[in-house]
Amino acid sequence: RKEVEQDPGPFNVPEGATVAFNCTYSNSASQSFFWYRQDCRKEPKLLMSVYSSGNEDGRFTAQLNRASQYISLLIRDSKLSDSATYLCVVNKGSSNTGKLIFGQGTTLQVKP
Amino acid sequence: NAGVTQTPKFRILKIGQSMTLQCTQDMNHNYMYWYRQDPGMGLKLIYYSVGAGITDKGEVPNGYNVSRSTTEDFPLRLELAAPSQTSVYFCASSGWERQETQYFGPGTRLLVL
Repeated sequence: RKEVEQDPGPFNVPEGATVAFNCTYSNSASQSFFWYRQDCRKEPKLLMSVYSSGNEDGRFTAQLNRASQYISLLIRDSKLSDSATYLCVVNKGSSNTGKLIFGQGTTLQVKP
Repeated sequence: NAGVTQTPKFRILKIGQSMTLQCTQDMNHNYMYWYRQDPGMGLKLIYYSVGAGITDKGEVPNGYNVSRSTTEDFPLRLELAAPSQTSVYFCASSGWERQETQYFGPGTRLLVL
């Protein structure tokens, strides 16, 4: 089983749609969770951290379910500029080294 | 602030050649990382460093070496290039307080033929 698994893509949605990405992780000792965004042929950039209570940043909402070891990202009112690959990222265990495990990513294509 | 810079942007190597990928950050970050990303795959950690003079292996260190003589620089060395090392290489850095918020360089695309 992969340490971090994401929904297979690509997701093709029209502008204005709501889209959700899911991710599961295998290490129950992981403490920190993130979504990174990667544009085509560019470097990954932090989109948002994911907290146990759930958190929202504008049109983006992230949820964490520790019992099920499941993370989600919801994008409302999709824009063309949201087209990118979204990487689910989990820290490697409880150690404090900044070591991260990246999922393979889910590609989103928003169409006019 | 330039952030994290990497050179070169693109390189073609022949099998058995060696090269050094350069990485520099100007954010005074203690933590630095090297990742590789193969097509359609997530990033895999090659080596990381928690400060000058301290390095450790990541998930896929074979065929690579690193050094960290200064806080700013973290070069990655390929000694005997192999086709399996064809990939995009990203360097990243993070600070003490938020180690897992990593800032990435633009990447180096390497093709080994």
